[in-house]
Amino acid sequence: DGGITQSPKYLFRKEGQNVTLSCEQNLNHDAMYWYRQDPGQGLRLIYYSQIVNDFQKGDIAEGYSVSREKKESFPLTVTSAQKNPTAFYLCASSITGTTEAFFGQGTRLTVV
Amino acid sequence: DAKTTQPPSMDCAEGRAANLPCNHSTISGNEYVYWYRQIHSQGPQYIIHGLKNNETNEMASLIITEDRKSSTLILPHATLRDTAVYYCIVNGAGGTSYGKLTFGQGTILTVHP
Repeated sequence: DGGITQSPKYLFRKEGQNVTLSCEQNLNHDAMYWYRQDPGQGLRLIYYSQIVNDFQKGDIAEGYSVSREKKESFPLTVTSAQKNPTAFYLCASSITGTTEAFFGQGTRLTVV
Repeated sequence: DAKTTQPPSMDCAEGRAANLPCNHSTISGNEYVYWYRQIHSQGPQYIIHGLKNNETNEMASLIITEDRKSSTLILPHATLRDTAVYYCIVNGAGGTSYGKLTFGQGTILTVHP
């Protein structure tokens, strides 16, 4: 089945630890995105990538890092510098930056 | 970035049409209007998009005003499963929002029996 997969669905980490969220797609899409969603809020863009080996900061990139070494993968690292990392994280992909996006089911990160 | 404005919430009776408005007065000539919806705790789902002409698919219809400064998403026969947050976004080549895919707060649509 073609699609976009985020893992794990739930993740718990201790404060001060870095954590990496996985996002894989087999749709052959060039563009990939990471969003953060807090309770009762809309989606806020963290990072996006239009092509392999290139990515841009979104609206709330501080405390996060990404890499795009392969077309199908766009992992997000939540670093210890992120002040409030507990949130619902969503990954998406699209054929290009101007076409409809497909979303994963999200990873709910809880930092204690 | 091209911004969109949506009402925070709307109600609709089951079986009736749900008309969700969106203002995008700073839209550029090459930018499309996209609609997505998000059911609680799931990833958003693409619904429909358009440039100038009205569009219809199996899920919904999209009406775009002639000046392209606003649009309306129409769910012709709303069901309880249509209860979700609906997002209107602007995206397209040549605009300031190219490739950025920025979501706003959306409209919470509640369909009641």
